[in-house]
Amino acid sequence: QSVLTQPPSVSAAPGQKVTISCSGSSSNIGNNYVSWYQQLPGTAPKLLIYDNNNRPSGIPDRFSGSKSATSATLGITGLQNGDEADYYCGTWDSGLSDSYVFGAGTKVTVL
Amino acid sequence: EVQLLESGGGLVQPGGSLRLSCAASGFTFNKYAMTWVRQAPGKGLEWVSGIGGSGRSTYYADSVKGRFTNSRDNSRNTVYLQMNSLRAEDTAVYYCAKRTVYGSGLSDYFDYWGQGTLVTVSS
Repeated sequence: QSVLTQPPSVSAAPGQKVTISCSGSSSNIGNNYVSWYQQLPGTAPKLLIYDNNNRPSGIPDRFSGSKSATSATLGITGLQNGDEADYYCGTWDSGLSDSYVFGAGTKVTVL
Repeated sequence: EVQLLESGGGLVQPGGSLRLSCAASGFTFNKYAMTWVRQAPGKGLEWVSGIGGSGRSTYYADSVKGRFTNSRDNSRNTVYLQMNSLRAEDTAVYYCAKRTVYGSGLSDYFDYWGQGTLVTVSS
């Protein structure tokens, strides 16, 4: 069971918007920045969002991140077929584990 | 261009050992922490271990503590993961990633990833 909770899947039609939630606690999201990773089928993960809401160079502004208290959200607007992938949130957890933690991942399906 | 190339994966029997390598290029290696993340077949990402830029600081997930050792050779721009007493549950693709951390750990993320190397623990 992951320390960070994500929905297993979300779906929408091309051009629509999806949001993915990531719920944690004060020992992780509540006191640290959140990052998001995209993993296309059969490939390595790629950094999508860092420091809650910043995009690395080359990531389109269709992808956005936000954080409030102990939860974070990834938004994807103008959904494209190429966005079909697994998405993971991650942050450091300074609780009992004192380690980096990932959510279990959310599969985005483009209908 | 940042590149990370893992090697050393393969099939090993339970209780055996394996050493993974990750050769880095395209950035000032000794100024960055590195990390290992694994992914079991059909499962999500699991953080395994981190190491500071100098190599003096290392961190491990509870699931591998005492069995895995993370090290680096800054003269060779390479990070290593020595895996001992391997178990079936260690079967996974192992990724190395460049880690950016600042603000006393407030900001902590993995900005570049290798392609991964598969470790299979089975008799």
